[in-house]
Amino acid sequence: EPEVTQTPSHQVTQMGQEVILRCVPISNHLYFYWYRQILGQKVEFLVSFYNNEISEKSEIFDDQFSVERPDGSNFTLKIRSTKLEDSAMYFCASKPGTSGGNEQFFGPGTRLTVL
Amino acid sequence: GESVGLHLPTLSVQEGDNSIINCAYSNSASDYFIWYKQESGKGPQFIIDIRSNMDKRQGQRVTVLLNKTVKHLSLQIAATQPGDSAVYFCAEGGSNYKLTFGKGTLLTVNP
Repeated sequence: EPEVTQTPSHQVTQMGQEVILRCVPISNHLYFYWYRQILGQKVEFLVSFYNNEISEKSEIFDDQFSVERPDGSNFTLKIRSTKLEDSAMYFCASKPGTSGGNEQFFGPGTRLTVL
Repeated sequence: GESVGLHLPTLSVQEGDNSIINCAYSNSASDYFIWYKQESGKGPQFIIDIRSNMDKRQGQRVTVLLNKTVKHLSLQIAATQPGDSAVYFCAEGGSNYKLTFGKGTLLTVNP
C-alpha cells in the first residue's frame, strides 16, 4: 500500500540553524500539507500546497518557513533560522484530487529538536 | 473563530466494551469532519469521515454521528480491543481541504 515517507525521523539542531525536512508524498496525489504537533498538544496546520504553489498558510507559517516541491516527487519544509519553540513533530500529508475523497494520508513525522 | 474541541481528555474502557469519544466544533460552515487515530510515535491514521449533510456513517466497528444542531460529533467504537488504544482526534475539513484538529482524547483499553 502506498504511503507517505519522511526523513529524517529525528533532527537535532542548534538555535539559529537552518533545517530542511523532507517528505515523499504518495505519487498520484495532488494536495500536500505540513502540520506540526508540539509534544502533548494537538496537530496544527502549517501550510497547504497545490498546483506548485502555496494555497493556504497559517499564522505559524511566517517568513522563516518555506516549502518546495523541487522535482515532482519530494516536498520539503525549510525553517531558515530555527527557534527553541520550533521543537515539535512535523507531519507531511498528501491527498488525492477532488474525486479521491477527503482522507489526508500522513507520514510518520520528523521530530525536530532545537537546542 | 474556528475551533474544534473535545469533551473528555481521557477514556478508559474494558476490552469488549463499546467506546464513545465526543467532540464539539464551532464552525458550522465546515464541509466534512474526520476522525483520526494516533498511536504513540506515529502519524495520524484516518478512521472515518462524514460530510456535513449526513448525520451518521458506519465503518468497520466504528460509527460517526454528527449533530449539527448542537455542533457535536462522536465516534463509537464497537467491541473495543487493546489495539484501539491511542489518541483520537476529530478534525474539521475546511478550505483547501486543510484540517483543523481538536485536542485529542486518550483511549485506554484494559484487557
